[in-house]
Amino acid sequence: AQSVTQLDSQVPVFEEAPVELRCNYSSSVSVYLFWYVQYPNQGLQLLLKYLSGSTLVKGINGFEAEFNKSQTSFHLRKPSVHISDTAEYFCAVSYNNDMRFGAGTRLTVKP
Amino acid sequence: DTGVSQDPRHKITKRGQNVTFRCDPISEHNRLYWYRQTLGQGPEFLTYFQNEAQLEKSRLLSDRFSAERPKGSFSTLEIQRTEQGDSAMYLCASSLVVGGNYGYTFGSGTRLTVV
Repeated sequence: AQSVTQLDSQVPVFEEAPVELRCNYSSSVSVYLFWYVQYPNQGLQLLLKYLSGSTLVKGINGFEAEFNKSQTSFHLRKPSVHISDTAEYFCAVSYNNDMRFGAGTRLTVKP
Repeated sequence: DTGVSQDPRHKITKRGQNVTFRCDPISEHNRLYWYRQTLGQGPEFLTYFQNEAQLEKSRLLSDRFSAERPKGSFSTLEIQRTEQGDSAMYLCASSLVVGGNYGYTFGSGTRLTVV
C-alpha cells in the first residue's frame, strides 16, 4: 500500500520569504500525487496535482511542486509567502482511487 | 453547483447517543468518500461509494458506524452509541472517475464532539 511522510510538522517563515514543504511517498506502483490546503474549521482545498507529464506542476495561489521519481518526493514550494498562506498543508498519494494523506505541515507566516 | 455540502457543521452529543451526518456531493460526481480527521492528523479513509454501491470499508469503521448512499446521490454516516474517541472532524469528498483520477473535492466537514 502507498503511504506519505511529511517531513516537517511545523514550518514558521517570515512574510515574503520563500518556503518549501517536504513530502516523500512510498509505493510499489505508479501513483498520483496531490497537495491540499486546510484553513481552520474548513475542509481541504486542492492546491495542485501530479497525474503525468511535466514533473513541475503549478497550482493555485502561486504554489508549485516538483515530482521526483528517483527520490520519491513531491515537495511544495512558493517563492514569496503571504500572511494569508498560514494554514495546514497535506500531501496525498493516490492509486486506483485510494487516497492516503500525510499528517500535515502547519505553515505559519509571520509579519 | 455549490460544491460538496455537509450537514451539520458542528454536533455536540452525549456519550452513548446516536448521530447521523449528511453529505451532498457534486451532482455529476460518481464517487463519494468519507474520511475522519483527528486533531493534528491528516484525514483517514473510512469508506467510499461508487454510485450507490459501497465498495470499500476501512478497518477504522467499527460495527457502530454505518454509511449509506441509497440513490447514488447524497450519503449519510451514522454512528451508534457514540464514544469520546469518536470526537473528530468527519469529512466527505466526491470525485468523478472517468478513465483516471482527478482528485477529490472536499466538503467543509462535520465536527463531532462527544461529551
